[in-house]
Amino acid sequence: AQRVTQPEKLLSVFKGAPVELKCNYSYSGSPELFWYVQYSRQRLQLLLRHISRESIKGFTADLNKGETSFHLKKPFAQEEDSAMYYCAFHGGATNKLIFGTGTLLAVQP
Amino acid sequence: DTGVSQNPRHKITKRGQNVTFRCDPISEHNRLYWYRQTLGQGPEFLTYFQNEAQLEKSRLLSDRFSAERPKGSFSTLEIQRTEQGDSAMYLCASSLAGKTGELFFGEGSRLTVL
Repeated sequence: AQRVTQPEKLLSVFKGAPVELKCNYSYSGSPELFWYVQYSRQRLQLLLRHISRESIKGFTADLNKGETSFHLKKPFAQEEDSAMYYCAFHGGATNKLIFGTGTLLAVQP
Repeated sequence: DTGVSQNPRHKITKRGQNVTFRCDPISEHNRLYWYRQTLGQGPEFLTYFQNEAQLEKSRLLSDRFSAERPKGSFSTLEIQRTEQGDSAMYLCASSLAGKTGELFFGEGSRLTVL
C-alpha cells in the first residue's frame, strides 16, 4: 500500500541550529513528493516539490529513491519556521495526494 | 479571488443530525478535493472531482457521506445521521488538472458532533 511515514511528531531545535524533518514513503514506482506547511492560524500550503529541486525559505528536500526518503532540511533554523510540516506523496494512476501524520517543528529562541 | 473558501467554519450538531459543508474553489481550478483531518493526524483523502465528475472516492467515505459538484464550480459535502466519530476538520482544496500535488487549501470546516 502507498504510505508516507513521518516518524517524529515533534522536533524542537534552537534558533540557528540545523533542521532535518524526516519523511519515508512506500511505493515501488516513481513517486512525486511534496512538503506542505501549516503556520499557526493559517491554512495548509505547499512549501516545495521534489520535481522543481528548489529552495524555499532556505528549505531543501532531495528525493532518495534508494532509501525511499524525502527529508526536509534547513541549515539554520529561524523562529518563524515554527509550524506543522506534512510530507505528501502522489504516485500511480490515482490523482490523490497522500499525507503523512506531520511533524511539529518548534524553534526555540 | 481570495483563494479557496469554506463555510461554515464551525458546526456543532447533535448526533443523528445532517450537516452540509460548502467549498468554493479558486475559479480557474478544475479539480476539487475533500480531505478530513483529526487531531494528531495528517489530512486523509475523501474524494475528488474533475469539473463536475466525481472521479475517486476513499473507502473512508461511508454511505452517510455524499459530495457533489453540480456545475463544476462549488462543491458540497453532506454527512447524514452524524456520529461522534465524524467530529473532525473537513478540508477542501483545489488544483489544476495535471498539477496533482499542488493543492490550494481552504481554512477548513470544523465539525463537532455531540
